[in-house]
Amino acid sequence: QQPVQSPQAVILREGEDAVINCSSSKALYSVHWYRQKHGEAPVFLMILLKGGEQKGHEKISASFNEKKQQSSLYLTASQLSYSGTYFCGTEVAGANNLFFGTGTRLTVIP
Amino acid sequence: DAGITQSPRHKVTETGTPVTLRCHQTENHRYMYWYRQDPGHGLRLIHYSYGVKDTDKGEVSDGYSVSRSKTEDFLLTLESATSSQTSVYFCAISDYTGNYGYTFGSGTRLTVV
Repeated sequence: QQPVQSPQAVILREGEDAVINCSSSKALYSVHWYRQKHGEAPVFLMILLKGGEQKGHEKISASFNEKKQQSSLYLTASQLSYSGTYFCGTEVAGANNLFFGTGTRLTVIP
Repeated sequence: DAGITQSPRHKVTETGTPVTLRCHQTENHRYMYWYRQDPGHGLRLIHYSYGVKDTDKGEVSDGYSVSRSKTEDFLLTLESATSSQTSVYFCAISDYTGNYGYTFGSGTRLTVV
């Protein structure tokens, strides 16, 4: 049930944009996005629910295509603080738990 | 003011010994989870709990057991530790209301020698 994330890694210069994708073979109820800095715990960014709207948080936003069971995380005008590993977590209806992808390592350089 | 704490933070143990990791929350959340994190595998669900004495298996539950006798505590036990259980273990909590996001503990780095 583990979702597939792509790309595995990406390097950006400050101010550039990036897209991280997450896809599942299961019919999803929700998709979560988390960011983890090296040596720290994952931190919740946002959730997208089935039938819900695209979410946004400052320059980080996400979408959820229910027909394709895919979600994308959009990082615009990247900052050094955006560096870390991004995980999507997917939930099927009624499960009350998340399966996480293997992560996308994002590095932002000056 | 962390709402979730894990103990110990680091542990080295010998193969074949039992090990118990503790997760403690002060948020009164109903759901608690144990994940392990390994390079190339991301976060994998071991067990989870949806209430006191109510638990269920995740995708990598073999060799692990859990117990939840109080809302605030969720224990993970490695019944007989093996080197393949060397990993970083994260506990997470959720109330499945509001924004539904998980809050993770700081993790326990376990090394089995």
